[in-house]
Amino acid sequence: KNQVEQSPQSLIILEGKNCTLQCNYTVSPFSNLRWYKQDTGRGPVSLTIMTFSENTKSNGRYTATLDADTKQSSLHITASQLSDSASYICVVSAGGFTSYGKLTFGQGTILTVHP
Amino acid sequence: EAQVTQNPRYLITVTGKKLTVTCSQNMNHEYMSWYRQDPGLGLRQIYYSMNVEVTDKGDVPEGYKVSRKEKRNFPLILESPSPNQTSLYFCASSIDRERYGYTFGSGTRLTVV
Repeated sequence: KNQVEQSPQSLIILEGKNCTLQCNYTVSPFSNLRWYKQDTGRGPVSLTIMTFSENTKSNGRYTATLDADTKQSSLHITASQLSDSASYICVVSAGGFTSYGKLTFGQGTILTVHP
Repeated sequence: EAQVTQNPRYLITVTGKKLTVTCSQNMNHEYMSWYRQDPGLGLRQIYYSMNVEVTDKGDVPEGYKVSRKEKRNFPLILESPSPNQTSLYFCASSIDRERYGYTFGSGTRLTVV
């Protein structure tokens, strides 16, 4: 069964600090991995998309890494801001003929940034 | 502004009373889909559409219907809502299902009593 596991479930950090969120997946065949940011009560917003050949991708203070061999990804947030408080969702897209483009969502990591 | 628009944002209804949640996108996207989000379960796909008149079931389609008569619109229909359909619903669209990020709507919080 395709699964995406995220850790930690929640995280509290102080403003200005860095943090790293983890994502492990068992989706096969793999096509791409996405990170979304979801503010409370709002729709998710795309941060990065990575295919298996990409090891890292940045979007401002957000840097995602991907190890397709170990099926792990991380999202690193640098110099956190209060506006980074949100849920971060890891999403894996399947490849292959029958499951092409099917998404498996992680449950998200809730990040709270305190002043 | 490129966006996915859902209506209504909030809806309280009674069991069995048919309702429709509308979704419209202005980006000429081929792919559209509906998700529900429940605490501890994350986002789960209800239905998706690859193009006009092409729809298919997602992971949790029971109790829902959709239609795609026009490219821009993808309404979600609950013929006979039940309390277990109380949830936060999101519509999303994309250029295609595979390679591009999804644009999500702002969500519809539905309560069925």
